[in-house]
Amino acid sequence: AQSVTQLGSHVSVSEGALVLLRCNYSSSVPPYLFWYVQYPNQGLQLLLKYTTGATLVKGINGFEAEFKKSETSFHLTKPSAHMSDAAEYFCAVILHSGGYQKVTFGTGTKLQVIP
Amino acid sequence: DGGITQSPKYLFRKEGQNVTLSCEQNLNHDAMYWYRQDPGQGLRLIYYSQIVNDFQKGDIAEGYSVSREKKESFPLTVTSAQKNPTAFYLCASNPKRSLAGGGYTFGSGTRLTVV
Repeated sequence: AQSVTQLGSHVSVSEGALVLLRCNYSSSVPPYLFWYVQYPNQGLQLLLKYTTGATLVKGINGFEAEFKKSETSFHLTKPSAHMSDAAEYFCAVILHSGGYQKVTFGTGTKLQVIP
Repeated sequence: DGGITQSPKYLFRKEGQNVTLSCEQNLNHDAMYWYRQDPGQGLRLIYYSQIVNDFQKGDIAEGYSVSREKKESFPLTVTSAQKNPTAFYLCASNPKRSLAGGGYTFGSGTRLTVV
């Protein structure tokens, strides 16, 4: 079975501080991994993705994530938080089922940025 | 610009009533998905469709129905059998064979409330 776990439903950081949002996955095959961001009452927007190749992935808005196979992790980071980063973030992994690919989402982490 | 349009943005349902949520895309994507979002539970898959006139149940299909008569449209009906329908509903799509490469494109969601 494939699943994804996000550690911490709420994270608070000061403006300008490092953002670290944690994601661990379980997968019996090499995973495809994603981070999405959701602003209030809106849909999700793709931040970045890992499929194959370079394990450090850069995304939009200054975010990046590193795929670590040995730790089964795909943590999201940003060196300096901005007020506009306040949102909910979802980690996701591809799930293969009956010949179809579906995305399984974590339960989300709400990021609060304190001025 | 291409994208996914969900309507209405807010919907109120009386007890025992069926309601239909609209999802239209002009991205020429083959696959479409419906997710339900509840606080603290992330996104849960209701139904998905890979091609026209075909769809599959997701993890929480009970009390819901869908149709896929056109490639562009994937409406979701919340029936009276769904006992707790109050939630945020998200529609998503992706090109059939490039899920891993591109991830999902999401609509902006419909917030359904039972009154």
